[in-house]
Parts: sequence; structure tokens; C-alpha cells
Amino acid sequence: DAGVIQSPRHEVTEMGQEVTLRCKPISGHNSLFWYRQTMMRGLELLIYFNNNVPIDDSGMPEDRFSAKMPNASFSTLKIQPSEPRDSAVYFCASSRGRARTQYFGPGTRLLVL
Amino acid sequence: GESVGLHLPTLSVQEGDNSIINCAYSNSASDYFIWYKQESGKGPQFIIDIRSNMDKRQGQRVTVLLNKTVKHLSLQIAATQPGDSAVYFCAENNEGGADGLTFGKGTHLIIQP
Repeated sequence: DAGVIQSPRHEVTEMGQEVTLRCKPISGHNSLFWYRQTMMRGLELLIYFNNNVPIDDSGMPEDRFSAKMPNASFSTLKIQPSEPRDSAVYFCASSRGRARTQYFGPGTRLLVL
Repeated sequence: GESVGLHLPTLSVQEGDNSIINCAYSNSASDYFIWYKQESGKGPQFIIDIRSNMDKRQGQRVTVLLNKTVKHLSLQIAATQPGDSAVYFCAENNEGGADGLTFGKGTHLIIQP
């Protein structure tokens, strides 16, 4: 079975540009999570959705960050405009129902110059 | 704020020996704990979990121990192999709180030949 799919795997962009990260959760999973990983702060939860509805976005750092989940099989995380301090690895994870085990995708490595 | 943290950033063991990775948590409301393994360039991979009504759980070559009295969690890996080299994270969650996981900063396990 396919795991969580993320694209792109790598993204290099210039400061001020818009960046869109994509995620396809595991089929049948109804909770989706976006995390960011940096050396300084480790893994941090940005936002999560349950049944396509955003439940908690308190981890989103600024208004420059936004996330959507238009359907059960797709989510996007957008940064506009991007800044060098946004450089990190962004992970998407999904889980099923009330199960609390989350399964992670391979991540998107973002570098903002 | 409350957090999950790891005692040792790096652990070096001989191939074939047993490894013990430790984790301290401070949120007394946490009732679910997970260990993840992250290899270079990959997303966190689920290893084993444990609920707070248990103090021990075993998997294949791995054992998780939970001591709620001192808020301590450990991961034991038996007969370590080169493929066990990775960063190991503990994460916690509580059913009454947000569904996102709170991660520790990670321990880098190095297997010496």
C-alpha cells in the first residue's frame, strides 16, 4: 500500500516567492497533520485537519502560512511570501479515526534563498 | 510550557549489543507515547507505542518501558544492527488535548562495527 505522498521532495526558491507543498494522505485516513522540522526547533506541529476541516492551526507561524484540504485525499501548505527562515523540512502525516498513531510522508526539503 | 525531551543527543553502541534510549516528559496528562525512527533523508517511521495504562510493551527486537512515577520513557533495542543507525524520537499525546504529537529533540544512535 502507498504511504503518505508528498511533493515536491525538494524545493529551492528565492525570498518573496510563493511556495506550495502538497500531500496525499493514506487512503482511509481522516486526520492529516503538517509538521516542520529544523535543527533548532526539532519537529513542530503546524496545523491538523480532521475530516477535511482545520481543527488546530495554532502552530502556524505567521499569516504568510496557509493550509487547505479540499478533499479527503489532498492537502496543500502554502507560504506566501517565503523568507529564508522558512527553510526547513516539511512533513505531512496522517492517521485513521481515533487512532493516535501518525504515519509520516518523506518530507519536502525547502530552501529559501 | 510542558515538553518532551531526551537525555542524550548521541548514543554509540557496538553492533550486536543492546541499546537503551531514554526520554523524559513533563506533561503529566500525557497518556499515549510513541517512538519513531528517522533515517537520514526520510520521514519519521513508527516503531512502537504504549498507553499510560501499561508499563511495558514489546515488539520485534524493541521494548518500550514507561515509568509514570518519574515521567520517564525508554526504548530498548536488542542486538543492534547497522540498519538501526538513525535518530530516535519519542512523542507524546493526551486524549483530552490536541491531536498533534509533541516530539522530543531526538537521540542519534550510532552503531559501531
